[in-house]
Amino acid sequence: AQSVTQPDIHITVSEGASLELRCNYSYGATPYLFWYVQSPGQGLQLLLKYFSGDTLVQGIKGFEAEFKRSQSSFNLRKPSVHWSDAAEYFCAAFDVMLTFGGGTRLMVKP
Amino acid sequence: DGGITQSPKYLFRKEGQNVTLSCEQNLNHDAMYWYRQDPGQGLRLIYYSQIVNDFQKGDIAEGYSVSREKKESFPLTVTSAQKNPTAFYLCASIPSGAGIYEQFFGPGTRLTVL
Repeated sequence: AQSVTQPDIHITVSEGASLELRCNYSYGATPYLFWYVQSPGQGLQLLLKYFSGDTLVQGIKGFEAEFKRSQSSFNLRKPSVHWSDAAEYFCAAFDVMLTFGGGTRLMVKP
Repeated sequence: DGGITQSPKYLFRKEGQNVTLSCEQNLNHDAMYWYRQDPGQGLRLIYYSQIVNDFQKGDIAEGYSVSREKKESFPLTVTSAQKNPTAFYLCASIPSGAGIYEQFFGPGTRLTVL
């Protein structure tokens, strides 16, 4: 079955440290891939998307993601985390429908 | 300002009662979606509508009903048949001609069954 997996339910990083959130997908062919961010009690905002081409994708708020076909991964990264980045992050994949991963809650220590 | 509004933000209901969640958009979007969000499970699709007077079941439609009488409105009714309705509900819409991934999300309604 097609699925999107985010192995880390919670991650805590110090402000200014680098961040990597993991995402793996299980699809027959490479789907379109996305990362969304959700602040508490809010809807989701699209951070970035990958369709094809360059495997390193730049998004909003200083985020980037790298597509690795050999690992079926689409990990989200940020070089230096700010306290305002604390939120829940969802990876999603699309072929026929949009499927979301379970989410990773990011906490930022001062 | 254009956007999606969901009301109320918090909703409490007793077991056995039906309750309707509102979703309104003034973005002139054709397609609208309802998702349910539970901790650790991401978003799951309940119903979607691509045009007025037409809607389709998503992955977890049992115990829910919708209507789409107007382009701007896509209310979701959580019926007493829904066994575990306590959750966060998100409504989304998509611009005409855009991909499903380009969804605009509302702020959500948190439903708690007492």
